[in-house]
Amino acid sequence: DGGITQSPKYLFRKEGQNVTLSCEQNLNHDAMYWYRQDPGQGLRLIYYSQIVNDFQKGDIAEGYSVSREKKESFPLTVTSAQKNPTAFYLCASSITWASNQPQHFGDGTRLSIL
Amino acid sequence: DAKTTQPTSMDCAEGRAANLPCNHSTISGNEYVYWYRQIHSQGPQYIIHGLKNNETNEMASLIITEDRKSSTLILPHATLRDTAVYYCIVRVAPGSGGGADGLTFGKGTHLIIQP
Repeated sequence: DGGITQSPKYLFRKEGQNVTLSCEQNLNHDAMYWYRQDPGQGLRLIYYSQIVNDFQKGDIAEGYSVSREKKESFPLTVTSAQKNPTAFYLCASSITWASNQPQHFGDGTRLSIL
Repeated sequence: DAKTTQPTSMDCAEGRAANLPCNHSTISGNEYVYWYRQIHSQGPQYIIHGLKNNETNEMASLIITEDRKSSTLILPHATLRDTAVYYCIVRVAPGSGGGADGLTFGKGTHLIIQP
């Protein structure tokens, strides 16, 4: 079954800890994206990757890091430098990074601070 | 990316057509109009997109005005499962100096389908 898989669905972090959110796609898409959504708000772009081994900062990259070592995987690490990490995190992918290619989303990971 | 304006909420009777308006009066010639929807606690679902011409797929129709300053998403026969927040987004072509290549989501329209 083709799609985008995010895990875990819920994640809890202690103060000062780094946590890594997983995003895997089997759609053979070149481009992948990470967004953050806060309650009652729209999505904000954290990082994006146009192709494997390349990634770029989005609008709110501070306190986050990513890697793109494999085409199908784009993990996001929320570091201890991110002072307000509680949010709903969404991963997306598209065939290419061209603006006429729709992005398709996973079901998200909800991160909370203990 | 051009900004969009959508009503905060709308109601529609089940079985009727739901018409969701979007204003994007500052849209540029190379910007696409996208529509997504999001059901609570799920990821956004892609619905449809277009540049100039009207578009139709199995989910909806997209009507873009000739001057491209507004558009309407039409769900032809709304069901209770269509209750969601609907987002209208314009997306600039890559490399056009519009910033990062993501989608800029606003607050959208909360569509409520009434039984």
